[in-house]
Amino acid sequence: AQSVAQPEDQVNVAEGNPLTVKCTYSVSGNPYLFWYVQYPNRGLQFLLKYITGDNLVKGSYGFEAEFNKSQTSFHLKKPSALVSDSALYFCAVRDTGFQKLVFGTGTRLLVSP
Amino acid sequence: EAGVTQFPSHSVIEKGQTVTLRCDPISGHDNLYWYRRVMGKEIKFLLHFVKESKQDESGMPNNRFLAERTGGTYSTLKVQPAELEDSGVYFCASSYGQGGSYGYTFGSGTRLTVV
Repeated sequence: AQSVAQPEDQVNVAEGNPLTVKCTYSVSGNPYLFWYVQYPNRGLQFLLKYITGDNLVKGSYGFEAEFNKSQTSFHLKKPSALVSDSALYFCAVRDTGFQKLVFGTGTRLLVSP
Repeated sequence: EAGVTQFPSHSVIEKGQTVTLRCDPISGHDNLYWYRRVMGKEIKFLLHFVKESKQDESGMPNNRFLAERTGGTYSTLKVQPAELEDSGVYFCASSYGQGGSYGYTFGSGTRLTVV
């Protein structure tokens, strides 16, 4: 069965510093991987996805993620964090048998001024 | 393009009552999904419609939950009777085409509190 692990409940980073939110996955076959963000009192917003092609995927708001097949990872990164990036981040993989998404437990990102 | 719309945004009901959540997908999206996040846990899949047909309902927790998508447009998710453990945020998503290659668009969610 497909699964996603987000090992950190919370990541703290100072504004202007680079940030990384970790995600590892387990899936049979080629993975479709996604990152979503949830700001307070808002819905899930799409950040980026990896389907095929370049391992480095660029997304919204300056975020990017690197697909690493050998390490089965899809870490989310940003070169310079903003206070406004503080939110809850979810990594997800598409189920290979069906179209549903399997989510991780989420990582809260806190960017301090 | 209008996004995925869900209402109500919040609902507080007593145990044993009935609640109906509604989701309006993006026009032209045949695929509609329901998910739920219980406090502090992962977002879990409930079911998937293709047009008006249930493609996958493997995530529905029990028969107190009933989802419909009459005419292949909007969908409703009814919980009857509600229990305390049903509290959480219910998300709806829609997608165009097969396999999510075009991505999935989520609504803002309905926060359900059962007291």
